[in-house]
Amino acid sequence: GESVGLHLPTLSVQEGDNSIINCAYSNSASDYFIWYKQESGKGPQFIIDIRSNTDKRQGQRVTVLLNKTVKHLSLQIAATQPGDSAVYFCAETWTGGSYIPTFGRGTSLIVHP
Amino acid sequence: DSGVTQTPKHLITATGQRVTLRCSPRSGDLSVYWYQQSLDQGLQFLIQYYNGEERAKGNILERFSAQQFPDLHSELNLSSLELGDSALYFCASSVGEGEFFGPGTRLTVL
Repeated sequence: GESVGLHLPTLSVQEGDNSIINCAYSNSASDYFIWYKQESGKGPQFIIDIRSNTDKRQGQRVTVLLNKTVKHLSLQIAATQPGDSAVYFCAETWTGGSYIPTFGRGTSLIVHP
Repeated sequence: DSGVTQTPKHLITATGQRVTLRCSPRSGDLSVYWYQQSLDQGLQFLIQYYNGEERAKGNILERFSAQQFPDLHSELNLSSLELGDSALYFCASSVGEGEFFGPGTRLTVL
């Protein structure tokens, strides 16, 4: 029979816009979170991480926000560029035990020139 | 280029067979992680080794096994392969938190 692929949420933006990608995590004990970017045909690439002792962290053109109350992460990309087109997903883990990350399904970001 | 290498890039085999995937971590990284990425399950953590010893175990089937050698390269062995094992298998390495992923091995089981 026909196989059904993983349907990812998609965010389409225009070049130069700011993008916001959201992630809901599941484990309230998780204290370390990572955002990854995966381009077609490549492995995931680390973008930015955040620990639960802070609610905001900034990198180059990216900002991660953490809301522990509602178990929500967001990744903000400023001045989005066509090269930012990729699947973005978050990972959560608890650093108090073995490092066993759990990954979200991802969001496909499409940047139109 | 993350500095993590994986071979082979593609692997096509039949059900019931056994395959070995190889990973060379970045120079100096002691930790190696294996992941499976499939269309229906997304990215799943399989197992972690640190300096030759198993450190953490995730959703790894009993048919799968891994090891890390003294030179820190790692191998993932998949046996009694089933159609559902078709997936991308990634290796990653790190010296701390936040891993560097290799390009992956695409396994197709026919």
